[in-house]
Amino acid sequence: RKEVEQDPGPFNVPEGATVAFNCTYSNSASQSFFWYRQDCRKEPKLLMSVYSSGNEDGRFTAQLNRASQYISLLIRDSKLSDSATYLCVVRLYTGFQKLVFGTGTRLLVSP
Amino acid sequence: ETGVTQTPRHLVMGMTNKKSLKCEQHLGHNAMYWYKQSAKKPLELMFVYSLEERVENNSVPSRFSPECPNSSHLFLHLHTLQPEDSALYLCASSQGGDRVDEQFFGPGTRLTVL
Repeated sequence: RKEVEQDPGPFNVPEGATVAFNCTYSNSASQSFFWYRQDCRKEPKLLMSVYSSGNEDGRFTAQLNRASQYISLLIRDSKLSDSATYLCVVRLYTGFQKLVFGTGTRLLVSP
Repeated sequence: ETGVTQTPRHLVMGMTNKKSLKCEQHLGHNAMYWYKQSAKKPLELMFVYSLEERVENNSVPSRFSPECPNSSHLFLHLHTLQPEDSALYLCASSQGGDRVDEQFFGPGTRLTVL
């Protein structure tokens, strides 16, 4: 079983739509949770951290359910510039601190 | 632009060649990482250096050899690679310790092994 599992997509949505991505993780000892964004042929960059209480950053809302080992990202009012791959990431301690990445969910926003 | 640079950006090599990838970070971080990114696979952590000490990652073949001469520079030495080693190799840095959460990535080296 993959440590971090995501639907690869692609999710094709029109501008202005609301879209949600989900992610599950297998290790209950996971300590911290994040969404990274990776544009085509570019490096990943941190989008936002995910907290148990849920957190929002502009049009982006992240939620964490530790009991279900489930993370979500909601994007409201999608923009063309939101087109990218969204990587679900967890932090684990396995003798050293490391980040474990999901395969990513690809989003395509069209005019 | 990130504070992590990588050279070369593209590399084509034969299976008998020896080459090195270079990474440099200008962020004052004390941890550096090598990742491999293949199509339709998640980023695979290859090596971690924290305060210039290497953290073992046993799943990486010995044809990949990392070197971290100081906290700002990281190398990945390659020899007798296989075609399946063709991938994007990403370097990253972070503050390390409990502050490993945000890692800053370089643009990557796209490697093709013929």
